[in-house]
Amino acid sequence: ETGVTQSPTHLIKTRGQQVTLRCSSQSGHNTVSWYQQALGQGPQFIFQYYREEENGRGNFPPRFSGLQFPNYSSELNVNALELDDSALYLCASSLYVPPYNEQFFGPGTRLTVL
Amino acid sequence: DAKTTQPPSMDCAEGRAANLPCNHSTISGNEYVYWYRQIHSQGPQYIIHGLKNNETNEMASLIITEDRKSSTLILPHATLRDTAVYYCIVMDSNYQLIWGAGTKLIIKP
Repeated sequence: ETGVTQSPTHLIKTRGQQVTLRCSSQSGHNTVSWYQQALGQGPQFIFQYYREEENGRGNFPPRFSGLQFPNYSSELNVNALELDDSALYLCASSLYVPPYNEQFFGPGTRLTVL
Repeated sequence: DAKTTQPPSMDCAEGRAANLPCNHSTISGNEYVYWYRQIHSQGPQYIIHGLKNNETNEMASLIITEDRKSSTLILPHATLRDTAVYYCIVMDSNYQLIWGAGTKLIIKP
């Protein structure tokens, strides 16, 4: 069974640039969720994709967008980067059967915005 | 906002049981309680979840009170590798996991 993978591991961007982060979900899972985790805080829910459709969104502006592909892998895109976007970005995959939503996390991408 | 409250930090001696409390007084009847942990700068790791009954797996036990307003995660024989931030989570109305700040558990030799 292949776990959740994310790329890249680390990334440095400058303010105003755009970034794309990638996630490969665990085999058999149909749902991907993205989280932002600032230093010393718990993960903050960005959005979830279920069968290629956005299926819930947290309190993040539209410059945070995503995609889910037919193989259930996913991308997180962030436009017009701001200094406060510096964080660990986590991807989690699950087999979404409400109210059951056990999620399996990747190692994260550490984004630094200068 | 998170639907759970946890103490910010706890200590436990190596080899002893670590008991981590969580309050979720507004939990609804069909909402599960999930526990995850996060070792420094790694992705969170699923530990256990429950609805009404107590649950046990190879990692931990979860005790949920009869009124479901609180729960306790028990690590029966804590080791130094159990040092981590432990998150107690109840889903929101859209079945999303909404995380609080968690409890930083430090296992001491």
